[in-house]
Amino acid sequence: KNEVEQSPQNLTAQEGEFITINCSYSVGISALHWLQQHPGGGIVSLFMLSSGKKKHGRLIATINIQEKHSSLHITASHPRDSAVYICAVGGSNYKLTFGKGTLLTVNP
Amino acid sequence: GAGVSQSPSNKVTEKGKDVELRCDPISGHTALYWYRQSLGQGLEFLIYFQGNSAPDKSGLPSDRFSAERTGGSVSTLTIQRTQQEDSAVYLCASSEQGSSYEQYFGPGTRLTVT
Repeated sequence: KNEVEQSPQNLTAQEGEFITINCSYSVGISALHWLQQHPGGGIVSLFMLSSGKKKHGRLIATINIQEKHSSLHITASHPRDSAVYICAVGGSNYKLTFGKGTLLTVNP
Repeated sequence: GAGVSQSPSNKVTEKGKDVELRCDPISGHTALYWYRQSLGQGLEFLIYFQGNSAPDKSGLPSDRFSAERTGGSVSTLTIQRTQQEDSAVYLCASSEQGSSYEQYFGPGTRLTVT
């Protein structure tokens, strides 16, 4: 079993829909990261959080430390949100362990 | 300001040759990471540099892989006697300190071993 599990692996939505991507982890962490990777593009850090909730524009990330679970939400989704979203966790050291990613496709 | 840069962006090499991949981190960032993203695989940690401390090389897949960081800035990842399974995108990231700080990723180097 991977230390970081994401679901779903693939997600197709219509423009305007509310989207949720989930991440569960099995190890103790100090921080959880959500990353975005566009096809053929580089990786961008969206959020780093260790508790509660963060919001940037239409993106919201939440984490429940007791349940070892985080969600990434996208409100009013747009085709430009189409990308791979990657969850990564960092423990007491500096190494990140990555999920396999969720491929999101938003159709116009 | 300038982000993390990597060169070359693409590298095609013959099996058995040595390759060097370069990473220029964000100025002032003391932590530098190398990751690998293979087709169909997730990202995997390779090596970590923090300031003047000895690097953590625990993620390097074999002794054909090595990395240096000169002057606490530029880093070079070297792969000797490349194999086809080394084909992947090699990503560099930097942060102010360890994983409790946001990491900024470079665009990656796509390595193809023929």
